[in-house]
Amino acid sequence: DAGVTQSPTHLIKTRGQQVTLRCSPKSGHDTVSWYQQALGQGPQFIFQYYEEEERQRGNFPDRFSGHQFPNYSSELNVNALLLGDSALYLCASSLGLPETQYFGPGTRLLVL
Amino acid sequence: GENVEQHPSTLSVQEGDSAVIKCTYSDSASNYFPWYKQELGKRPQLIIDIRSNVGEKKDQRIAVTLNKTAKHFSLHITETQPEDSAVYFCAASIRSGTYKYIFGTGTRLKVLA
Repeated sequence: DAGVTQSPTHLIKTRGQQVTLRCSPKSGHDTVSWYQQALGQGPQFIFQYYEEEERQRGNFPDRFSGHQFPNYSSELNVNALLLGDSALYLCASSLGLPETQYFGPGTRLLVL
Repeated sequence: GENVEQHPSTLSVQEGDSAVIKCTYSDSASNYFPWYKQELGKRPQLIIDIRSNVGEKKDQRIAVTLNKTAKHFSLHITETQPEDSAVYFCAASIRSGTYKYIFGTGTRLKVLA
């Protein structure tokens, strides 16, 4: 039973570039949430996808967008990267909400 | 508002002692409260969770208590071991249409051998 997977593990970009991060949920899970975790901070909720639609959104600008595919996998896109976007991006999956969420290993993004 | 406060930010205990981490939430409709442990460079791992219809839950050396009236919940770790050293995060469900989780700012626990 595969857990939550994310790719890539690490990424280095420059300001103004665009990035796409990918997440495959735990087998049987249909809900994917994305979080940004800055160093020394708790995960900050970006948005949540269920049935291929964005259901909830945190306080993040429109530069952050996402998508969920029919197989429940998801992508997080960030446009016009800023230095402050450097963080660990975590994906978490669950079977609906409020249910137990399991996190992926994260993608560490560095913006130079 | 959507807020989860977590205290203390750092906690040092001697091996074998108990550790307690406390969180306070603001949304009276919150009904699910998970706790995660995050080791350096690793993903957050769920260690225990509690729903609002239960006041206490235990799993071996770990327990969580919930006081709905006061809107706070606590993580208790007994007989601490060096491998318990990590950052611990609490979270609370927030309902705005569907549910989302708001996390606390974390507690760095150091267990001294």
